[in-house]
Amino acid sequence: NAGVTQTPKFQVLKTGQSMTLQCAQDMNHNSMYWYRQDPGMGLRLIYYSASEGTTDKGEVPNGYNVSRLNKREFSLRLESAAPSQTSVYFCASSIRTGEGYTFGSGTRLTVV
Amino acid sequence: GENVEQHPSTLSVQEGDSAVIKCTYSDSASNYFPWYKQELGKGPQLIIDIRSNVGEKKDQRIAVTLNKTAKHFSLHITETQPEDSAVYFCAAMTSGYALNFGKGTSLLVTP
Repeated sequence: NAGVTQTPKFQVLKTGQSMTLQCAQDMNHNSMYWYRQDPGMGLRLIYYSASEGTTDKGEVPNGYNVSRLNKREFSLRLESAAPSQTSVYFCASSIRTGEGYTFGSGTRLTVV
Repeated sequence: GENVEQHPSTLSVQEGDSAVIKCTYSDSASNYFPWYKQELGKGPQLIIDIRSNVGEKKDQRIAVTLNKTAKHFSLHITETQPEDSAVYFCAAMTSGYALNFGKGTSLLVTP
């Protein structure tokens, strides 16, 4: 049982490049989330999907887009990467909003 | 939106002592309060949670207390061990939305 799988684990981008972070869960969870983690800032919500077919902005959505591809997969896209997007990105899922999350192991992204 | 404050940011205790981490929240409609432990290089892992209709919950050496009137909740770890060393995050959620996290507490348990 893999839980929440994130790919890639590490990535270096040049300013202006684009990329998609992938996330998949195998727990039949309805809700999925993207957070970024920066030193001293805790975990900040970028976007979430309460259920398949819906997405909503979180606290820091600027510069990002998301796609809930199906119930299992929720991807995060950076269209034009900026150094301020250097961070560790975590995907999480829960059976529904209001329940505890299962987190992936994270993607460490550096934008130079 | 919900604002979660967490204190202290760092905490050092001797092995065997107790550790207490405190959080306050701003939205009186919040009804779910989980705690997560994050080890180096890993994603956060849920260790205990409490809902607004309960005042205290225990699971072996860890416990969480909730004071709805004061809008604060705390994590208590007793008989600390070196493997308890990690970053701990509190969070709060209003029904139907996503979790808002505190900024974390780095706990160090020294032998």
